[in-house]
Amino acid sequence: GQQLNQSPQSMFIQEGEDVSMNCTSSSIFNTWLWYKQDPGEGPVLLIALYKAGELTSNGRLTAQFGITRKDSFLNISASIPSDVGIYFCAGQRTDSWGKFQFGAGTQVVVTP
Amino acid sequence: DTAVSQTPKYLVTQMGNDKSIKCEQNLGHDTMYWYKQDSKKFLKIMFSYNNKELIINETVPNRFSPKSPDKAHLNLHINSLELGDSAVYFCASSDSEVGYTFGSGTRLTVV
Repeated sequence: GQQLNQSPQSMFIQEGEDVSMNCTSSSIFNTWLWYKQDPGEGPVLLIALYKAGELTSNGRLTAQFGITRKDSFLNISASIPSDVGIYFCAGQRTDSWGKFQFGAGTQVVVTP
Repeated sequence: DTAVSQTPKYLVTQMGNDKSIKCEQNLGHDTMYWYKQDSKKFLKIMFSYNNKELIINETVPNRFSPKSPDKAHLNLHINSLELGDSAVYFCASSDSEVGYTFGSGTRLTVV
């Protein structure tokens, strides 16, 4: 069953605000991924994390691999309207190569 | 363009029919997957093939049968379609641990 808890489920924010979301797991992961899905499209990889404590940025996006290896967070700074979409975390357990579990997604809505 | 492409994008069919979804990737990846996304947007892995060999087979009804003629193609055949099969099906490919590249999805509606 679902082992990744992603929160919040949805966020309604104003343009220019920062956004934070996180994922926690009951298992230890060796890889965390963050994806964004636009309506009618497949998820697109935003950031990949491979080491505990790793902090990686991609433009206005910043993600971190938690020290415990059981969590990760994603921040979006100075949101713009095109940040609208569903953001998914995905984690790979050390004993499940190639098999990523996905969080339930965070729906982000940005209002002008 | 380098990509994962799947067809058709939309598929509407009656209960009991058999249908196929095709997937092709030109990224040179060794591993391909099928994921199912339900109405609540939850993504769940169904199958994974590595160089034409099945390596992941989640608890999926045996009405679903993947076929990989070569490492660039992974098709999904579904027999005796049921209402509960309605979902968006995503094909994906990956190379080692860099994460998936997803196709744009096939929205299957069973009526």
